[in-house]
Amino acid sequence: GQNIDQPTEMTATEGAIVQINCTYQTSGFNGLFWYQQHAGEAPTFLSYNVLDGLEEKGRFSSFLSRSKGYSYLLLKELQMKDSASYLCASMDSNYQLIWGAGTKLIIKP
Amino acid sequence: DAMVIQNPRYQVTQFGKPVTLSCSQTLNHNVMYWYQQKSSQAPKLLFHYYDKDFNNEADTPDNFQSRRPNTSFCFLDIRSPGLGDAAMYLCATSKPPGQGSDTQYFGPGTRLTVL
Repeated sequence: GQNIDQPTEMTATEGAIVQINCTYQTSGFNGLFWYQQHAGEAPTFLSYNVLDGLEEKGRFSSFLSRSKGYSYLLLKELQMKDSASYLCASMDSNYQLIWGAGTKLIIKP
Repeated sequence: DAMVIQNPRYQVTQFGKPVTLSCSQTLNHNVMYWYQQKSSQAPKLLFHYYDKDFNNEADTPDNFQSRRPNTSFCFLDIRSPGLGDAAMYLCATSKPPGQGSDTQYFGPGTRLTVL
């Protein structure tokens, strides 16, 4: 079957660095997406990886290892506004997104 | 700014009373999606349109229907809402998959309450 695993909740301190891990098993693979979702709002696109390695975009970076079925989202210099859920989604061979349930990130001062 | 718009943002209906949610986009994307998302859960794809071609997910209840009268607009009709249909309904759009940009862009969502 198809499956996305990510931690349910993480806590970090303002100004620190946090890494949110995601493992995936999908029928085929056409890329790995990370979305940010604030409570009661829609997901907003953060990053897309289809090749192995690290993609950096400002304070956020995303890493992919296709052989391990593994990705992580790295958030640096955490700000209070980064408190949100972070959703990992893998695109399968039919170009359908298979979603994780999200990791709720709590930032403490 | 190009965007995905959903109306209304909050919808209250009564058990069994039909309701229609709307989505419009100015991105000129070929593909439009409807997702249902319940609290602390992953978005669940209900169906999607590739242009006028309708694709229903196998486990989407018959209670849910959709219409896409033109490229810009897509509607979600819930014929007889039950208490279990209370959720956030998300509309998303994308370019045709497999053509270099598969990112889905979401509207702000409609939160449906069923009384």
